[in-house]
Amino acid sequence: SQTIHQWPATLVQPVGSPLSLECTVEGTSNPNLYWYRQAAGRGLQLLFYSVGIGQISSEVPQNLSASRPQDRQFILSSKKLLLSDSGFYLCAWNQGQINTEAFFGQGTRLTVV
Amino acid sequence: AQSVSQHNHHVILSEAASLELGCNYSYGGTVNLFWYVQYPGQHLQLLLKYFSGDPLVKGIKGFEAEFIKSKFSFNLRKPSVQWSDTAEYFCAVNAGSGGYNKLIFGAGTRLAVHP
Repeated sequence: SQTIHQWPATLVQPVGSPLSLECTVEGTSNPNLYWYRQAAGRGLQLLFYSVGIGQISSEVPQNLSASRPQDRQFILSSKKLLLSDSGFYLCAWNQGQINTEAFFGQGTRLTVV
Repeated sequence: AQSVSQHNHHVILSEAASLELGCNYSYGGTVNLFWYVQYPGQHLQLLLKYFSGDPLVKGIKGFEAEFIKSKFSFNLRKPSVQWSDTAEYFCAVNAGSGGYNKLIFGAGTRLAVHP
């Protein structure tokens, strides 16, 4: 069966520090991968999505970037965090060839101080 | 660009009341539509989905949704809510084609059901 792992669950980082959140999927190949930010009253904002290794699409201009170095690995990064980067980040995947439901990681609560 | 609008941000109901949550999307092509639910402290999980065929789809826990193409809508309904339905509900549209998926969510509706 497929599983998705996202870590860390919580993170407190100072302003100006770098960020790296990792997401891996097991039990499938060539998934679509997504990074979302969930904020109260704003739902899930799509940040990045990827349909394959090295293929990243950015949905909103921001201080973050994403990379997909391996088929089932998706990384969310920043070189210098801002206070406004605080939030709840969710990784998700769905199958690329057919339109199926998405499965979500447990999320990362990022607090920038 | 694709977008999803959920009309109600907060809904408060008493048990046994009927529920309808609105969802409209903006996209001119073929879409696949979803409702997800997030119970307090839990992951998002799929409630129901529409790909093709009968526009009235039934999901888990007595929920159903109707796809009205002419109105670009996919409203969620339940005839009689329970306290355990207290959760946040998200409408989503997958506006991909050729197996290319881009999953867009609405802002969510927070439902509180009082006993």
